[in-house]
Amino acid sequence: DTEVTQTPKHLVMGMTNKKSLKCEQHMGHRAMYWYKQKAKKPPELMFVYSYEKLSINESVPSRFSPECPNSSLLNLHLHALQPEDSALYLCASSSLFREQFFGPGTRLTVL
Amino acid sequence: GIQVEQSPPDLILQEGANSTLRCNFSDSVNNLQWFHQNPWGQLINLFYIPSGTKQNGRLSATTVATERYSLLYISSSQTTDSGVYFCAVEWAAGNKLTFGGGTRVLVKP
Repeated sequence: DTEVTQTPKHLVMGMTNKKSLKCEQHMGHRAMYWYKQKAKKPPELMFVYSYEKLSINESVPSRFSPECPNSSLLNLHLHALQPEDSALYLCASSSLFREQFFGPGTRLTVL
Repeated sequence: GIQVEQSPPDLILQEGANSTLRCNFSDSVNNLQWFHQNPWGQLINLFYIPSGTKQNGRLSATTVATERYSLLYISSSQTTDSGVYFCAVEWAAGNKLTFGGGTRVLVKP
């Protein structure tokens, strides 16, 4: 298995909702990532997990809460988001300091 | 932080044409990747190329790390090559990928 999967593909939520994005990989990678991509912009790093521990938080607002329950799974919990948080959220995985592989993304709309 | 600049920002090609995309970076990097983002948003790995030259079918890439640039060559372009091409570099420690602004390619039939 050489792919990263993400669910859901699309998500529409209100500003008072709580939702979660999920990411899974079975390539034995020990680093996992969340990126955010706004329209017509490049992806921007949000969080990095190495060996299930948060190693990088790029000053992301606390309404985004990452979680890495095990080496194959990565979640992003969303709460009290703003309309400007609408974006494509991409998950990636890699062996440490090696090539990153991306999932298909979750397209999030905040109303 | 590191600056990653891609040129040109936009490129329109006739099917069958060849093209070169460039990626300049402002500091030493540990790794460099080229991606193709399709219209559905999927980032497809093209090359993992911190230095040297690689080829994969009609695509090839060259990274000259000492001069801080990388080139992506597309030969005999096809309409399916349309999309956005991103260069991304990993610099310093910590598995951080920094993306360039991308080159938006449109291949016309």
